[in-house]
Amino acid sequence: GQNIDQPTEMTATEGAIVQINCTYQTSGFNGLFWYQQHAGEAPTFLSYNVLDGLEEKGRFSSFLSRSKGYSYLLLKELQMKDSASYLCAVMDSNYQLIWGAGTKLIIKP
Amino acid sequence: DADVTQTPRNRITKTGKRIMLECSQTKGHDRMYWYRQDPGLGLQLIYYSFDVKDINKGEISDGYSVSRQAQAKFSLSLESAIPNQTALYFCATSGGQGDAETQYFGPGTRLLVL
Repeated sequence: GQNIDQPTEMTATEGAIVQINCTYQTSGFNGLFWYQQHAGEAPTFLSYNVLDGLEEKGRFSSFLSRSKGYSYLLLKELQMKDSASYLCAVMDSNYQLIWGAGTKLIIKP
Repeated sequence: DADVTQTPRNRITKTGKRIMLECSQTKGHDRMYWYRQDPGLGLQLIYYSFDVKDINKGEISDGYSVSRQAQAKFSLSLESAIPNQTALYFCATSGGQGDAETQYFGPGTRLLVL
């Protein structure tokens, strides 16, 4: 079966750095996405990785290792507004997105 | 103005009623999707459409039907609503130039079936 695993909840301090991990087992691979979702709102696109390595976009970076079935989202200089759920999703061989359950990130002052 | 809109934003209905959720987009994307989201679970794909004449079932299509009235409009119907269809429903689109695979979401419809 297809499976995406990420921690259910994480807590971090304002101004700090946090890394949210995602491991996956899917039938085929056509890219990995990270989305941010504030409570009760729509998911919004953060990053897309299809090749191994690190993609940096401002305070957010995303890393992919296809051989290990592993990705992480790195958030630097955390702000209170970063409190949200972070969703990992993998595009399988049929170009359908398989979604993880999301990691709820709590930022404390 | 929002690129992907959904109506209604909230809906309360009773078991056995037929309801329709509507999605419209101004992004010019060919592909449209319907998902449901339940607490503690990942987004689950209900139906998807790659163009007006193409409709495909997702992983949880039972109890749902869809209509792609135009490139910009994709509706989801619950023929006879049941309480376990209470969830947050999202419409999404993709197919933009330069980021064809990235999905963009509407604001969601919160549905409660009593």
